[in-house]
Order: sequence, then C-alpha cells, then structure tokens
Amino acid sequence: EAQVTQNPRYLITVTGKKLTVTCSQNMNHEYMSWYRQDPGLGLRQIYYSMNVEVTDKGDVPEGYKVSRKEKRNFPLILESPSPNQTSLYFCASSLQGFAGYGYTFGSGTRLTVV
Amino acid sequence: AQTVTQSQPEMSVQEAETVTLSCTYDTSESNYYLFWYKQPPSRQMILVIRQEAYKQQNATENRFSVNFQKAAKSFSLKISDSQLGDTAMYFCAFMIGPQGGSEKLVFGKGMKLTVNP
Repeated sequence: EAQVTQNPRYLITVTGKKLTVTCSQNMNHEYMSWYRQDPGLGLRQIYYSMNVEVTDKGDVPEGYKVSRKEKRNFPLILESPSPNQTSLYFCASSLQGFAGYGYTFGSGTRLTVV
Repeated sequence: AQTVTQSQPEMSVQEAETVTLSCTYDTSESNYYLFWYKQPPSRQMILVIRQEAYKQQNATENRFSVNFQKAAKSFSLKISDSQLGDTAMYFCAFMIGPQGGSEKLVFGKGMKLTVNP
C-alpha cells in the first residue's frame, strides 16, 4: 500500500530533551515536507526537500532540523524542544512536478512538550 | 506571498442538507491549483477535491463540488446531501503551478463543520 508512515503517533517529552520524529514514504516521491498544525493557524510548512540532500526552510523553521540522506526518509529533529513546539505534525510527500494532484500525508504526530 | 482565507471558523448543518464553505485566496500567479482537504477526528488529511486554475469548468466529486471564481479569487466548496461522516475540519489550500518551483501547499486556517442528525 502506498503510504507515508510517521512515528510516533503520540509523544510527550520534557523541555530540552532531543527528539526525532520519523517519516518514511514507499512511493519513490522526490518531494517531502513537514507541516505543523495549530488551532486557528491551519497548517504551516516547517521544512521541505526537493530530493536527496536538498532541503530548504519553510515558513516556521526555527527550532527544527531535517535531513534527507535517503529518498524515502525525511526525519524531523527537535534538538532542544520547548513548550511552544507542542503541536500536531504532519509529513507529506509528492512526485516531483505532480504535486498539483495533491500530497500524500502521514497520519500525524501529536507532540506535547512539558 | 500567497494567502488563503477561510472566514467562517465554524458551521453546522442538518443531515441531508446542503452547505457551502467559503475560501478566498490572493496571488499574482496565473497558473495554480486549489484544494479542499478534510480532516476528520482521526486527524488524517484527506483530499476532497482539486481545481486547476486554467480550467474554467468547476470540479465535482460525487456530493462535493466547487464554485471557482478566478476573477474574484474565490473557491467555495458545496457539500450536497450532508452526512454525519462529513463532520470534520475542512482546509482550503493553494499551490503555484510546477514552474513556480517549491510545490508548497499554503493552507487556510480551517473551518469546523458539524453535521447534526
């Protein structure tokens, strides 16, 4: 089944403790992206990647890192999480040049930083 | 920068009725795509319908249809014969065409639709 797999689905952590949210897709998509969803703000792009080793900042990149060492994986790293990063996170992917047909989204990761 | 505005934060409708969700956007581009995504309580993001800006014909998918007014930069979603399973957050989204480079989806703030029995 074609899908984007995010893990974990839920995560509670403490301020300052490094964490990684994994994202993997099995569709050979070049384009991958991370979004965060907050009430009243919709979804905002954090980082995106057009292909392996090519990443760029989205609208809200502060406090986040990403890497794209393999085409299928695009982890989101929070080196020192803070409470304002409590949010619902989505990974998404699309075939390069075909994003106009829509993204494939992961199931989301609910992160709480206390 | 492109912006997407959903002015109604919340709506409710009775089962079997028709409801229209509004969305406006701002762009100077001529080639772009518009989308409606549904997010039920399971929080999965589900593509409901998409519209290509160069197509004048409004997109339809079963009970879902859009009213695309390019000059007015308006993209409303009509849900006919509302069902309980339509209860969800709905997001309007915009993307510049492939030549724009980033293939970034820009989302509105969302609108909560409740269908009552």
